[in-house]
Amino acid sequence: QVELQESGPGLVEPSQTLSLTCSVSGASVRSGSNYWTWIRQPAGKGLEWIGRIYTSGGTNYNPSLSSRVTISVDKSNNRFSLKLTSVTAADTAVYYCAREADKYAYLDFYYYYIDVWGKGTSVTVSS
Amino acid sequence: DIQMTQSPSSLSASIGDRVTITCRSSQSISSHVNWYQHKPGKAPRLLIYAASTLQGGVPSRFSGSGSGTEFFFTINSLQPDDFASYYCQQTYSSPPWTFGQGTKVEVK
Repeated sequence: QVELQESGPGLVEPSQTLSLTCSVSGASVRSGSNYWTWIRQPAGKGLEWIGRIYTSGGTNYNPSLSSRVTISVDKSNNRFSLKLTSVTAADTAVYYCAREADKYAYLDFYYYYIDVWGKGTSVTVSS
Repeated sequence: DIQMTQSPSSLSASIGDRVTITCRSSQSISSHVNWYQHKPGKAPRLLIYAASTLQGGVPSRFSGSGSGTEFFFTINSLQPDDFASYYCQQTYSSPPWTFGQGTKVEVK
């Protein structure tokens, strides 16, 4: 059974860097055709896809955050991380790490879907 | 970005009811839609992917349909464990992926 667990500070000061780690058990971040993903949900709002990293190290980021986001993989410790710089109150949210899988659909298209989620960790940006 | 408009934002239903949630996309996305269930304090759960494919282990009372720009998620015979929030997500072509705003299913 694959499990993901987020960890990191619950409080970050404005203008600082938010750093979170997702520990993976039951699967390896170095193998398979999986994407390791971060998603967040501000209180009372919807889910926002932040970005993902492939097992090869390639990344995709949400353009709305791409200038401030870095997702990386630590293969030695089977985990992946999120860094978000220059945070403001608007970055206050529950942050989820997740595994995204793919399945061939047709032509050059694949179905992508998140088949495993962490329980989420709450991060507040405040002084 | 592709926008997903989900409705209703909340609904009240009774045990045994049939519940339907709709998602509309801002452009055609074939069948690249997923549906998730989310309960407070828990990890979201994948129910349906590729618009209509039931994820392994998910009860058959959950179903999805639609293609193009209109998608439907249905719970046949609502059970006590089904009171939760539900989200659609589009994963068409290339990121960023986007979610609907969610539907909270509450007890009537």
